[in-house]
Amino acid sequence: NAGVMQNPRHLVRRRGQEARLRCSPMKGHSHVYWYRQLPEEGLKFMVYLQKENIIDESGMPKERFSAEFPKEGPSILRIQQVVRGDSAAYFCASSPTLGGTNEKLFFGSGTQLSVL
Amino acid sequence: KQEVTQIPAALSVPEGENLVLNCSFTDSAIYNLQWFRQDPGKGLTSLLLIQSSQREQTSGRLNASLDKSSGRSTLYIAASQPGDSATYLCAVRQTSNTGKLIFGQGTTLQVKP
Repeated sequence: NAGVMQNPRHLVRRRGQEARLRCSPMKGHSHVYWYRQLPEEGLKFMVYLQKENIIDESGMPKERFSAEFPKEGPSILRIQQVVRGDSAAYFCASSPTLGGTNEKLFFGSGTQLSVL
Repeated sequence: KQEVTQIPAALSVPEGENLVLNCSFTDSAIYNLQWFRQDPGKGLTSLLLIQSSQREQTSGRLNASLDKSSGRSTLYIAASQPGDSATYLCAVRQTSNTGKLIFGQGTTLQVKP
């Protein structure tokens, strides 16, 4: 059972380009979370999705950022017109359900976005 | 608004020492608390999860305690090894209807041989 898979591991973009980050949750997991880790800062929640639904996007910047988790395929975090301040490590996490009190989040290895 | 703080930010100890990492949170109404390990350039590995009704959890040389009323958790590492060198993060889950976690900024541990 493969873990949470994120790709690419490293992504370089020039200012104004679009960045697309992909996350395939663990098999059987229908809940996906995206977190961002800025240099010298802790992980900050961005968005929580279930299949075809955005449940909580309270941590998403109001502009340029969007996320989806389609019925088929990976979850995508899209950043339009990237700026240097978007340079960070973006982590995806997944869980099977919300019901279990002992339920842990399983994290991917992250995508390091560098904006030139 | 929940805030999670970890002290110290960095810690260096000789191999074999027992050590304690601290985590505090401002809102005691939490659902659970989780300790993670992060190695450079890699993702997070879950170490221990403590439910709000529990006082502690143990796994091998690791023991995590929770005092919800005072807003504190500690991670105790016994007989530290160089392989324990990593950043340790604590994270709080507020409610049962979302798995959203609020993280502290971490303690970077170096265990010297």
